[in-house]
Amino acid sequence: DQQVKQNSPSLSVQEGRISILNCDYTNSMFDYFLWYKKYPAEGPTFLISISSIKDKNEDGRFTVFLNKSAKHLSLHIVPSQPGDSAVYFCAARGSNYGGSQGNLIFGKGTKLSVKP
Amino acid sequence: KAGVTQTPRYLIKTRGQQVTLSCSPISGHRSVSWYQQTPGQGLQFLFEYFSETQRNKGNFPGRFSGRQFSNSRSEMNVSTLELGDSALYLCASSFRSSPGANVLTFGAGSRLTVL
Repeated sequence: DQQVKQNSPSLSVQEGRISILNCDYTNSMFDYFLWYKKYPAEGPTFLISISSIKDKNEDGRFTVFLNKSAKHLSLHIVPSQPGDSAVYFCAARGSNYGGSQGNLIFGKGTKLSVKP
Repeated sequence: KAGVTQTPRYLIKTRGQQVTLSCSPISGHRSVSWYQQTPGQGLQFLFEYFSETQRNKGNFPGRFSGRQFSNSRSEMNVSTLELGDSALYLCASSFRSSPGANVLTFGAGSRLTVL
């Protein structure tokens, strides 16, 4: 069963508008959430993260919101730029790993296309 | 600072063969994780190594194995290849010195095609 779900395989937005990418999770033990961006022929690169004790984290044009009661997080990109076109992965980390930081569990990704 | 280096970048094998992939982490990073990316399943965790010890393992069959050397470089091996093993294999490293976001730095991956 999938613990991290990105239900939209793709999203298309106009340049300058807001992009909202969504992610749902099922495991209430997750304590950290991250977003990665992936261009073709490259590895994923870290974008932004949020701890489960917060509900918002902002970094420039990127903001991540966490709704723990709904087990939902979203990534907002404002304003969207053509260079943001990539696959975005949501990832979560479990907290019950003792001394280990544990592995990241990824969603299947959402392909964002920003049209000029 | 050099990034995570994976070799080879592309390779083609036939069913039943075995393959070894290599990963050199960022200098100073002692944790190396491996992920398999396929179109239908996204990124799936294979295993994590820290100080030459396997710390975590994903839900993959025993044909998938790995190891880490004293210089933190890591290899993963897949034996008796199957068509379904065709995927992009990603290696990621992290410093892992304290609790916090496990921010992984990924390599560009090794694209394996099994014929």
